[in-house]
Amino acid sequence: GEDVEQSLFLSVREGDSSVINCTYTDSSSTYLYWYKQEPGAGLQLLTYIFSNMDMKQDQRLTVLLNKKDKHLSLRIADTQTGDSAIYFCAETFTGFQKLVFGTGTRLLVSP
Amino acid sequence: SQTIHQWPATLVQPVGSPLSLECTVEGTSNPNLYWYRQAAGRGLQLLFYSVGIGQISSEVPQNLSASRPQDRQFILSSKKLLLSDSGFYLCAWRQQYRGTNEKLFFGSGTQLSVL
Repeated sequence: GEDVEQSLFLSVREGDSSVINCTYTDSSSTYLYWYKQEPGAGLQLLTYIFSNMDMKQDQRLTVLLNKKDKHLSLRIADTQTGDSAIYFCAETFTGFQKLVFGTGTRLLVSP
Repeated sequence: SQTIHQWPATLVQPVGSPLSLECTVEGTSNPNLYWYRQAAGRGLQLLFYSVGIGQISSEVPQNLSASRPQDRQFILSSKKLLLSDSGFYLCAWRQQYRGTNEKLFFGSGTQLSVL
């Protein structure tokens, strides 16, 4: 079945690294995504990873995928106050017409 | 380039009143369209999606309905709002699935408060 879980909150200091975790239950997922939602706004795609990869780096963002444990993480290096937002992981499946989202992690970056 | 428009941005409605939220997409044809609801502290819940005109899939039983009268128009409705319908409603679109990574793009959302 489809179930994607995330921890609700993460608090870090500016300049530190942030690691946001996500676990999913369906091993047939094809693509996994990270979206960012700033207050009162829609979601913006940050990055994504294909299920046959185990790592993807995009500037300050590093995505790690452990298919065996069904665990996805997003690492933000040198976290800035502008990174404060809610981060959602999501998965999709071959032939599916929809994305399944996690519960979202609220990241708070303090100066 | 493609854009998605969603309105209104904010809405305050009394219990029992009707609802109509509209979403339109420009710059693409035959998109998949989605309505999500984000309730406080409860993440993002898929309500409806549509793969074509008049084709609506409902994900959860509820007080709401959706319609797709035109290719790039998706409407979320209710005949009588409940308090529990309050939340942040997001419309989204993606290209029709073609076996590759098709990203989901979101509108700016509608904050609905039912009082």
